[in-house]
Amino acid sequence: ETGVTQSPTHLIKTRGQQVTLRCSSQSGHNTVSWYQQALGQGPQFIFQYYREEENGRGNFPPRFSGLQFPNYSSELNVNALELDDSALYLCASSLTDGNTIYFGEGSWLTVV
Amino acid sequence: QKEVEQNSGPLSVPEGAIASLNCTYSDRGSQSFFWYRQYSGKSPELIMSIYSNGDKEDGRFTAQLNKASQYVSLLIRDSQPSDSATYLCAVKWAGNQFYFGTGTSLTVIP
Repeated sequence: ETGVTQSPTHLIKTRGQQVTLRCSSQSGHNTVSWYQQALGQGPQFIFQYYREEENGRGNFPPRFSGLQFPNYSSELNVNALELDDSALYLCASSLTDGNTIYFGEGSWLTVV
Repeated sequence: QKEVEQNSGPLSVPEGAIASLNCTYSDRGSQSFFWYRQYSGKSPELIMSIYSNGDKEDGRFTAQLNKASQYVSLLIRDSQPSDSATYLCAVKWAGNQFYFGTGTSLTVIP
């Protein structure tokens, strides 16, 4: 139990639609990162938020966007969904140094 | 190019044996190293972190780091069927991003 909660746990969307995934960080953790994990692959860094500002971004297109709120909770938004967006989306929280990350249970997204 | 490589396996060991998992990384500038365990259908959970050359032990788990050779390994002693999972190696360079390998699938046979 990491104290990081994500919702929804599973969802199915149609190609072209938009999706919002939500995350509540572990208490005291002010940094949140989002990762995408496709089947058979390791997690890939999407972006990180600190103090409500994007603080690093991986190799993902702009249709992947995020928000962090004053209570350190976070959202991941994906527009114009593509079939390849089907994956497990992981939220990870950490202290300011970001040196250790703790994952939530993830949100399974299927795009059909 | 920052890369983390693991043998995808599957690796099978009998119950009670030592499981050895290996990971190599591409960039000497890396600073922090981690092992995560991921059960099927679940999210990764942190097992160990290691930052300095040498061994670090935690219960049945020992992480080994050799920065000169750019490899990090995880030994699991007295392997149990509950250790059957995919083990992910993660490396953090300066900055915010963790780089993960594709994971090694471990099966412990009763």
